[in-house]
Amino acid sequence: NAGVTQTPKFRILKIGQSMTLQCAQDMNHNYMYWYRQDPGMGLKLIYYSVGAGITDKGEVPNGYNVSRSTTEDFPLRLELAAPSQTSVYFCASGDSYNSPLHFGNGTRLTVT
Amino acid sequence: QQQVKQSPQSLIVQKGGISIINCAYENTAFDYFPWYQQFPGKGPALLIAIRPDVSEKKEGRFTISFNKSAKQFSLHIMDSQPGDSATYFCAASIGGYQKVTFGIGTKLQVIP
Repeated sequence: NAGVTQTPKFRILKIGQSMTLQCAQDMNHNYMYWYRQDPGMGLKLIYYSVGAGITDKGEVPNGYNVSRSTTEDFPLRLELAAPSQTSVYFCASGDSYNSPLHFGNGTRLTVT
Repeated sequence: QQQVKQSPQSLIVQKGGISIINCAYENTAFDYFPWYQQFPGKGPALLIAIRPDVSEKKEGRFTISFNKSAKQFSLHIMDSQPGDSATYFCAASIGGYQKVTFGIGTKLQVIP
């Protein structure tokens, strides 16, 4: 049972480039989330989804886009990468009211 | 606006000692208060959680104390061990869509 799988683990982007961070879960969870983690800032919610075809903005959505075409996958798209998007990105999933979130191991992104 | 305030940001405890991390919240609609533990290079994982109708919850060496009137909750780690060295996040959420708000994290180091 893989849980939540994120790819790639590391990536270096040049300013202005774009990329997609992949996230897949095999637990049939309805809820999926993207967080970014910066030192001393905790985890900030970027986007979330409550089911296939339904997404909504979190606390820090600017510069990102998401889609949810299947229950399993929730990719995060960065368009026109900026240095401010240098961070560690975590995908998470959950299945019901107030159940624990299951996190992937993160993608460390550097934009230079 | 930081909805969940966590302190301290870093903590050094002697092996066998008690580690205490405090959190405070403003939104009285929060109805689920989990704590997550994160080791370097890994995603956060649920450690223990509490609901506001309970004042204390204990699981092994880990105890959550909850003060609803003061809007505060804390994590106590008894008999702290070097293996407990990690970053700890308190969090709060409102049921339903599970939009979890995290504190900024506490980096705990347990020294022999």
